[in-house]
Amino acid sequence: NAGVMQNPRHLVRRRGQEARLRCSPMKGHSHVYWYRQLPEEGLKFMVYLQKENIIDESGMPKERFSAEFPKEGPSILRIQQVVRGDSAAYFCASSYDRDEQYFGPGTRLTVT
Amino acid sequence: GESVGLHLPTLSVQEGDNSIINCAYSNSASDYFIWYKQESGKGPQFIIDIRSNMDKRQGQRVTVLLNKTVKHLSLQIAATQPGDSAVYFCAERSEKLVFGKGTKLTVNP
Repeated sequence: NAGVMQNPRHLVRRRGQEARLRCSPMKGHSHVYWYRQLPEEGLKFMVYLQKENIIDESGMPKERFSAEFPKEGPSILRIQQVVRGDSAAYFCASSYDRDEQYFGPGTRLTVT
Repeated sequence: GESVGLHLPTLSVQEGDNSIINCAYSNSASDYFIWYKQESGKGPQFIIDIRSNMDKRQGQRVTVLLNKTVKHLSLQIAATQPGDSAVYFCAERSEKLVFGKGTKLTVNP
């Protein structure tokens, strides 16, 4: 059973470009979560999704950030018009129910 | 508001010793707690969890203790090995998972 997959592992974008981060949950998991981690910091919750629904987006910045988890395909975290402050590691996690979350390897976004 | 904090940012132990990593939380509504291990360049890895109706849970070489009276959580690692070197995060959940800042554990051979 493959674990949580994230791609790309590393992403470099110039200021003003768009970043798309993809997450494929573990097989059988219908809950997906996105977190952001700055260097030497803990993970900060961004958004919780189930298939085709956003359940909790209380950690998402109000502008430029969006997330989706379509019926088919991976979950996507989209950052429009990136700024240097968006540089961070973005982790996706999935779970079967609302308990144990399994994390992917992360996408490291660098904005130049 | 919610907050999860760790008492010490770094911990250095000798190989074979026992390690204790502590964590304080403030949300009395939290009903589920998890410890994660994160190695450099990797995602967090689940270690052990505990529900609020328990005060102790044991795994392989690890034990989690929960003291709800003082809102304190600890992770004990027995016979610490070099492979245990990593950053350890506690996380608590009421409606969503809230992570602490992390403790960096270094195991000296």
